[in-house]
Amino acid sequence: NAGVTQTPKFQVLKTGQSMTLQCAQDMNHNSMYWYRQDPGMGLRLIYYSASEGTTDKGEVPNGYNVSRLNKREFSLRLESAAPSQTSVYFCASSQKPGTDNQPQHFGDGTRLSIL
Amino acid sequence: GESVGLHLPTLSVQEGDNSIINCAYSNSASDYFIWYKQESGKGPQFIIDIRSNMDKRQGQRVTVLLNKTVKHLSLQIAATQPGDSAVYFCAEKVGGGSYIPTFGRGTSLIVHP
Repeated sequence: NAGVTQTPKFQVLKTGQSMTLQCAQDMNHNSMYWYRQDPGMGLRLIYYSASEGTTDKGEVPNGYNVSRLNKREFSLRLESAAPSQTSVYFCASSQKPGTDNQPQHFGDGTRLSIL
Repeated sequence: GESVGLHLPTLSVQEGDNSIINCAYSNSASDYFIWYKQESGKGPQFIIDIRSNMDKRQGQRVTVLLNKTVKHLSLQIAATQPGDSAVYFCAEKVGGGSYIPTFGRGTSLIVHP
């Protein structure tokens, strides 16, 4: 049982290049999330998808787009990478939103450097 | 907005000791709390959760205590082992239909053999 799988694990980009980060989960979860983690900042939500077919902005959505391709997959795209987007990106999934509280399950991250 | 915070950024303990990691929250509407462990180079890993209708919950070697009066959450790790060395995050979720948790910055636990 792989859980949440992120690809690639590492990537170096030049300013202005585009990139898509891939995420897939095999737990049949309804909700998926993208976070960035910077030193001293904790996890900040970029975008989330409550269910297949829906996406919503989080705390720091500028410079990013997402696609909920199907129930399993949720991708994050940087159209024109900037050095400020250098970070570690985590994808997460959870069972369902609402009153049935469930923890999120995280992938191991994509370490992205923008030169 | 209100946010989750941690009292101590770094905690150093000796192997075999009990560890206590603290977390303060300020939103009285939060109804669900989660502790995560993050090892170097890995993603956050779920440890234990607690709902606001509980004061205490125990897992394997871990106990979470919730004090709603002072809005305080703690994670107790019994007989700490070197493998427990990691960053520990608390997260809170506000009730009323919201399902996006807010994460604290984390506490680094260092276990000395």
